[in-house]
Amino acid sequence: QVRLQESGPGLVKPSETLSLTCSVSGGSISSTGYYWGWIRQPPGKGLEWIGNVFYTGSTTYYSPSLKSRVTMSVDRSKNQFSLNLRSVTAADTAVYFCARDGFAFDFWGQGTVVTVSS
Amino acid sequence: EIVLTQSPATLSLSPGERATLSCRASQTVSSYLAWYQQKPGQAPRLLIHDASKRATGIPPRFSGSGSGTDFTLTISSLEPEDFAVYYCQQRSISWTFGQGTKVEVK
Repeated sequence: QVRLQESGPGLVKPSETLSLTCSVSGGSISSTGYYWGWIRQPPGKGLEWIGNVFYTGSTTYYSPSLKSRVTMSVDRSKNQFSLNLRSVTAADTAVYFCARDGFAFDFWGQGTVVTVSS
Repeated sequence: EIVLTQSPATLSLSPGERATLSCRASQTVSSYLAWYQQKPGQAPRLLIHDASKRATGIPPRFSGSGSGTDFTLTISSLEPEDFAVYYCQQRSISWTFGQGTKVEVK
């Protein structure tokens, strides 16, 4: 059973960079064919897709609304993938989920709360 | 960007009743549509992928149908644990989620 676990600071100051890591266990991040994604959910609102990265790290897809501020990468040696979101504002406050994307997001982390505040 | 519109926003039903949830895409997504269930404080759970294929471990009371721009998630007989928020998601062009339908106890 694949398990995902998000980690990173729970509080980020405005204008700084939000950095999160997703650790994968119970399977290799290098399993062929999978993308690995980040999804967020602002308080009381719906799900917003942020982006996906291919297991090789060679291909990334980002939400058009966030593309100018997002970078995603894969560290296959650590079985992890990461999210960097630059120049954050209060609107970036949300629960951030990582997930595996094969034919859909079939395995999810439990989510981590990130608050943007000074 | 493909916009997914879910209706209704809220569905008030009693246990044992049939639930019918709709998801409409702003342009065709073929069959690249999934459905998720989310309960408070939990991550979403994949129910249906590729419009009509049940994910592993999902009971048969959940079924999906549709193709192109119009999709339906049907719960044939609501169990107490089915009251939750349901989201559709497409992966035909980029990835997007619908805004969700809340199924609440009447």
